[in-house]
Amino acid sequence: NAGVTQTPKFQVLKTGQSMTLQCAQDMNHNSMYWYRQDPGMGLRLIYYSASEGTTDKGEVPNGYNVSRLNKREFSLRLESAAPSQTSVYFCASRGSYNEQFFGPGTRLTVL
Amino acid sequence: AQTVTQSQPEMSVQEAETVTLSCTYDTSESDYYLFWYKQPPSRQMILVIRQEAYKQQNATENRFSVNFQKAAKSFSLKISDSQLGDAAMYFCAYSKNDMRFGAGTRLTVKP
Repeated sequence: NAGVTQTPKFQVLKTGQSMTLQCAQDMNHNSMYWYRQDPGMGLRLIYYSASEGTTDKGEVPNGYNVSRLNKREFSLRLESAAPSQTSVYFCASRGSYNEQFFGPGTRLTVL
Repeated sequence: AQTVTQSQPEMSVQEAETVTLSCTYDTSESDYYLFWYKQPPSRQMILVIRQEAYKQQNATENRFSVNFQKAAKSFSLKISDSQLGDAAMYFCAYSKNDMRFGAGTRLTVKP
């Protein structure tokens, strides 16, 4: 039982490059989330998926797209990376009591 | 929009002593969940404790307990018998449909 897994753990991009962050959970949860964490700001919600086939915007969706590939997988795509997207990205899934289980995070640097 | 405020950017406690971390939130909902998460230097988000708003009894988990004041919209975390391993960032979070986080409190434990 791996919980929530994320790949990659680290990534460096140049401005304008694209990439996809992958997330998978093996807890059979319906809801999944993508957050970004910046210094002094806690975690902010980018997008979430309440169930397979649905996605919704969070607080800071601009510059990102998501895909809920199936119940297990929820990916985050940066089409044209910008330095303002330098951050740590967390994926999470929601359990029965609204608690969220988090992946280990991806540290992304955009030069 | 729901907001979560942690007014203490940093706190310090002596090993074996007790420390309380503060959190307030704003919501018009009556049914929701509140959480405290711990984030050590490894970056992993670890659930510390959960409180359902409809429960009047304060949640406890071993050395961790909360003081939930629903009318005041206050949700503080008390750590008893502090240990060196408690040193971390602590995030307060509010959840109804999604989850909103405070900016965090950095806790230092002095030996």
